[in-house]
Amino acid sequence: AQKITQTQPGMFVQEKEAVTLDCTYDTSDQSYGLFWYKQPSSGEMIFLIYQGSYDEQNATEGRYSLNFQKARKSANLVISASQLGDSAMYFCAIGTPGRRALTFGSGTRLQVQP
Amino acid sequence: DSGVTQTPKHLITATGQRVTLRCSPRSGDLSVYWYQQSLDQGLQFLIQYYNGEERAKGNILERFSAQQFPDLHSELNLSSLELGDSALYFCASTPGLAGFDEQFFGPGTRLTVL
Repeated sequence: AQKITQTQPGMFVQEKEAVTLDCTYDTSDQSYGLFWYKQPSSGEMIFLIYQGSYDEQNATEGRYSLNFQKARKSANLVISASQLGDSAMYFCAIGTPGRRALTFGSGTRLQVQP
Repeated sequence: DSGVTQTPKHLITATGQRVTLRCSPRSGDLSVYWYQQSLDQGLQFLIQYYNGEERAKGNILERFSAQQFPDLHSELNLSSLELGDSALYFCASTPGLAGFDEQFFGPGTRLTVL
């Protein structure tokens, strides 16, 4: 079985500052993928970034980067230069070959303050 | 826009009733996943179909069923509805079977059971 833990129910950040959202995972699979999704108040789930377990480089997508520390089983999301539109729920998820669906964490609500 | 469509966007019904939620995957995607997002349970995987066949089951109640049609659209049927079934229901799609492909989510159907 796999598990995702997001220990920060809520976070505040000032506009234009960077913020790190924590995610730790647990799986017995050697091959897996880690995902971050954003869910604004409108409800849709927006894919942000992906990291494969064998990727040596940390993934980056624009202002999003994933700080992948395999030995620690952590996959933290870093958002640089926060914008008001970044205010949303953020979910970390893991996918493995043996289990078809993604397993999600409980989410972190990020609020960007002007 | 993820390319995944879901109808209806909102649904309000009474306890004991039956509803059908519809999902059309992205063009070319063969896998469809259904997830339920409730306040107390978070995002839970319900069921997956691949090219018309059921391939994985998660925490899906016996009162719930799904199918995928030859044109690859999928329907989730919820019957004998209870207050606790009120939730946001997402459909997601991927090209193949792999459990760690990026999943493209639809906008969701918000079900309210009164």
